Amino acid sequence: GAVVSQHPSWVICKSGTSVKIECRSLDFQATTMFWYRQFPKQSLMLMATSNEGSKATYEQGVEKDKFLINHASLTLSTLTVTSAHPEDSSFYICSASYLNYGYTFGSGTRLTVV
Amino acid sequence: TQLLEQSPQFLSIQEGENLTVYCNSSSVFSSLQWYRQEPGEGPVLLVTVVTGGEVKKLKRLTFQFGDARKDSSLHITAAQPGDTGLYLCAGEREYGNKLVFGAGTILRVKS
Repeated sequence: GAVVSQHPSWVICKSGTSVKIECRSLDFQATTMFWYRQFPKQSLMLMATSNEGSKATYEQGVEKDKFLINHASLTLSTLTVTSAHPEDSSFYICSASYLNYGYTFGSGTRLTVV
Repeated sequence: TQLLEQSPQFLSIQEGENLTVYCNSSSVFSSLQWYRQEPGEGPVLLVTVVTGGEVKKLKRLTFQFGDARKDSSLHITAAQPGDTGLYLCAGEREYGNKLVFGAGTILRVKS
């Protein structure tokens, strides 16, 4: 089945630094990738949708300059949290889809900003 | 206001009991999916329903899609401690290529 690899699985960074999270589709080409944020014991909140080779579409209230998304190829999307602050600490999850063949989720990245 | 209202938010039951989780909306979905998520991991797809009135069974789990494709339910028979986790419903709108998630149901099954 389709597999999405997300890396790193956890990261701790200092306030003010930037962190990059990678999302790779391993055995299929993802026409669209999605980035979600999840707080403890809560649901997934969609942050942005990215299509290969074009700018990401951000959901209302998500700062595009804060959360930089790059989808340079059909198998790789990256989320960079710039100038991270403690309030950015969260669980970030990506998912990838190919046409109408459903959505496959990564295993998530636990970000802690200290 | 969430597009998909999921209830209950928390459920703590004894092993062997039955339970039902509901997802309701005023919008029509082309498909609705149910996921289970363990702490620190991504959601894992349990089932996708696409046809109004559709019923799918996965061992002790029964999923139903409403006739009008606006609501869905997940029923677990004889719950076991291994069923403990966060259950999420997610709908795909008819004219959009993205999932909308419900608020989630935290299920705890005590032995």
